[in-house]
Amino acid sequence: NAGVTQTPKFQVLKTGQSMTLQCAQDMNHNSMYWYRQDPGMGLRLIYYSASEGTTDKGEVPNGYNVSRLNKREFSLRLESAAPSQTSVYFCASSDGPPQEPLYEQYFGPGTRLTVT
Amino acid sequence: AQSVAQPEDQVNVAEGNPLTVKCTYSVSGNPYLFWYVQYPNRGLQFLLKYITGDNLVKGSYGFEAEFNKSQTSFHLKKPSALVSDSALYFCAPRVRYGQNFVFGPGTRLSVLP
Repeated sequence: NAGVTQTPKFQVLKTGQSMTLQCAQDMNHNSMYWYRQDPGMGLRLIYYSASEGTTDKGEVPNGYNVSRLNKREFSLRLESAAPSQTSVYFCASSDGPPQEPLYEQYFGPGTRLTVT
Repeated sequence: AQSVAQPEDQVNVAEGNPLTVKCTYSVSGNPYLFWYVQYPNRGLQFLLKYITGDNLVKGSYGFEAEFNKSQTSFHLKKPSALVSDSALYFCAPRVRYGQNFVFGPGTRLSVLP
């Protein structure tokens, strides 16, 4: 049982390049989330998905797109990377829907992205 | 809307001493309260949660937290700190149909040998 896995672990991009961050969970969870973590800013939600086929914007969605490919996988795409997107990106999942407060979230190990 | 404060950026404590990491919150409705821990270069890990009932909640690694409704606080405690407890700790308030993705700013705990 691997939990939540993310690839890649590290990535360096030049401004304007695109890339997709991959996330998968093997816990049969319904909800999945993408966060970014920046020093002094804490964790901020980028997008989330309450179920397969649905996605919703979080606090900081600009410059990102997501795809909930199936129940297991939730990818985050940067179409044209900018230095402001330098951050550590975490994927998370939870068993229940986002509006239900009972369920803890399970986090992946993170992707450290640098945009130069 | 939900909000959460962790008034201390950093807490230093000697190994073997008790530790407290503070959290205060604001929610509309009955709160569900979580603590998460982040070790270096890792994702957040669930530590414990308060849903209802006994105000003292016990969690992983010997941690516990006390819910105080009148002070809207949920402080994390441990009777005897270990060097391995050194990490970043996040408080997270949750409420039904709320913004259930908000985390506190984090408190860095350093346990000194």
